[in-house]
Amino acid sequence: DTAVSQTPKYLVTQMGNDKSIKCEQNLGHDTMYWYKQDSKKFLKIMFSYNNKELIINETVPNRFSPKSPDKAHLNLHINSLELGDSAVYFCASSQDRTQETQYFGPGTRLLVL
Amino acid sequence: SQKIEQNSEALNIQEGKTATLTCNYTNYSPAYLQWYRQDPGRGPVFLLLIRENEKEKRKERLKVTFDTTLKQSLFHITASQPADSATYLCALEGIYNQGGKLIFGQGTELSVKP
Repeated sequence: DTAVSQTPKYLVTQMGNDKSIKCEQNLGHDTMYWYKQDSKKFLKIMFSYNNKELIINETVPNRFSPKSPDKAHLNLHINSLELGDSAVYFCASSQDRTQETQYFGPGTRLLVL
Repeated sequence: SQKIEQNSEALNIQEGKTATLTCNYTNYSPAYLQWYRQDPGRGPVFLLLIRENEKEKRKERLKVTFDTTLKQSLFHITASQPADSATYLCALEGIYNQGGKLIFGQGTELSVKP
């Protein structure tokens, strides 16, 4: 009965590859988010979707493309991976865009070699 | 731009003592502030939210204060236990007209020794 789940948990890949991370929430929430946590532990928002509509798009390279097939899923596709993309990526959800509390997934640890 | 600072040094305290963590912010007046706990290898977990018109909020052994004049929040854990050892993140509502955006501090690592 995991609330927010992400796959894979770990991802090790070579520079230049394309990879996807998947996120699903079973909380019935309308809003989902992608965050990046770097080695210094700063957690920065990348994207947010509300009911499949993109509402927040921070200054993120075009190589990152989120996709929300339905409001329970938010996937992140990364093209042409670079060393600097190595980080932990967290998915989160909130009841809707006005609800402040966010529920986080367990994270996907991406290592680009 | 908005800036959030938390104690950059790890905080080491003895079991049973009160842990006090600090969150300072500049260039902004958020409508609310949140505290999250993050354990190694896990995602952040929401603990408490305090609004700009609230001075203090409590939940069991946790207490949060919010001083909008000082632009500071203090997070207290009373009667601390080794199980309280974790990184604690402060988060503010971001300036974003579509709502829901949180800006996180870098976190303070708390270690409670038995």
